Amino acid sequence: ILNVEQSPQSLHVQEGDSTNFTCSFPSSNFYALHWYRWETAKSPEALFVMTLNGDEKKKGRISATLNTKEGYSYLYIKGSQPEDSATYLCALSSSNTGKLIFGQGTTLQVKP
Amino acid sequence: DTAVSQTPKYLVTQMGNDKSIKCEQNLGHDTMYWYKQDSKKFLKIMFSYNNKELIINETVPNRFSPKSPDKAHLNLHINSLELGDSAVYFCASSQYQGMDGSSGNTIYFGEGSWLTVV
Repeated sequence: ILNVEQSPQSLHVQEGDSTNFTCSFPSSNFYALHWYRWETAKSPEALFVMTLNGDEKKKGRISATLNTKEGYSYLYIKGSQPEDSATYLCALSSSNTGKLIFGQGTTLQVKP
Repeated sequence: DTAVSQTPKYLVTQMGNDKSIKCEQNLGHDTMYWYKQDSKKFLKIMFSYNNKELIINETVPNRFSPKSPDKAHLNLHINSLELGDSAVYFCASSQYQGMDGSSGNTIYFGEGSWLTVV
């Protein structure tokens, strides 16, 4: 059974703080790593899809890195804003079927 | 314009009933999925269809039957609903992931359908 683990489970920061989360996965079963931003009652919003060791991707104030050899990915948010409050999910794809194995998510609360 | 839309968004029904959740995508994708948010809040795949053909069928009770009339639609039928079927069900779509290691197509999700069985 493949497990994807995310830490921390929840995080409270002040507006303007920078923060980061971790996603850990079995390195022997890697095909692609997906990051999503999810607000309750909305669609999970795709942030990044990462496939190559050493990949770094950026979207505005959010960026992510990938280490497939040691089995982890970091998501960084620079200068957090209240609108960044959401649950951030990572998901491992271990084959080309598109099957995603999700972590439980990191719930971020940014206080004004 | 909603890329992946599913209906209904909320459904309350009695145990033993048969119900369907519909999903449509307007992204031109060839692969569609159903995921279920389990009691521990994890999203877990149930089914995947590529060009109307079933390619993933996880260990799901056979009361759940997906039907794909065309590439843009993947409906989920649930027979003889049980209390434990209460969950949020998410539809998703993507282009097929491809065979080479550099592929990693984005998978787009709908907003979820909240099913409550009473």
